[in-house]
Amino acid sequence: GAVVSQHPSRVICKSGTSVKIECRSLDFQATTMFWYRQFPKQSLMLMATSNEGSKATYEQGVEKDKFLINHASLTLSTLTVTSAHPEDSSFYICSARDSDWKSYNEQFFGPGTRLTVL
Amino acid sequence: DAKTTQPTSMDCAEGRAANLPCNHSTISGNEYVYWYRQIHSQGPQYIIHGLKNNETNEMASLIITEDRKSSTLILPHATLRDTAVYYCIVTGAQKLVFGQGTRLTINP
Repeated sequence: GAVVSQHPSRVICKSGTSVKIECRSLDFQATTMFWYRQFPKQSLMLMATSNEGSKATYEQGVEKDKFLINHASLTLSTLTVTSAHPEDSSFYICSARDSDWKSYNEQFFGPGTRLTVL
Repeated sequence: DAKTTQPTSMDCAEGRAANLPCNHSTISGNEYVYWYRQIHSQGPQYIIHGLKNNETNEMASLIITEDRKSSTLILPHATLRDTAVYYCIVTGAQKLVFGQGTRLTINP
């Protein structure tokens, strides 16, 4: 089946540093990937839609200069949290949509990355 | 995207059928009903989707009312591993907007 991986699974960093999270589709090509954030005991919140070869589309209220998204290939999207602060500590999850599927919107989710900013 | 309403939590005995309801009274003609679930500290997992006909796969069945204003996800023989938050999402677009979902607890 379709598998999406994320790296790293956990990261702890100091306030003010930048952290890069990778999202890879392992056995399919993904023109479109999505990035979500989830705080404890809350639902997933869509941050941005990442399209291969073009700029990401950010949801309202998400700072594009803080959360840099790059989707340079059909199997890799990266999210960089710049100048991270403790309030950025969260569970970051990516998903990918198989480019071959046009009739419906099944998305395959990664296992998530837990970011802790000290 | 149409708004969905789900119960906050439900319990079900192991081995019994778990029936999870979802109201989506403002659904429009081109919107699908999707169900995903999230087991604690993992990424969501796709379960099933439908437009207007009932659907069944190896994981679950999806029953959509004739007026499409509500649906029910059925897990026919729930196991302890089915304990998770279940999300009903209605959308005709690429992106999925997650609500609060139903926290389903399967009890031994």
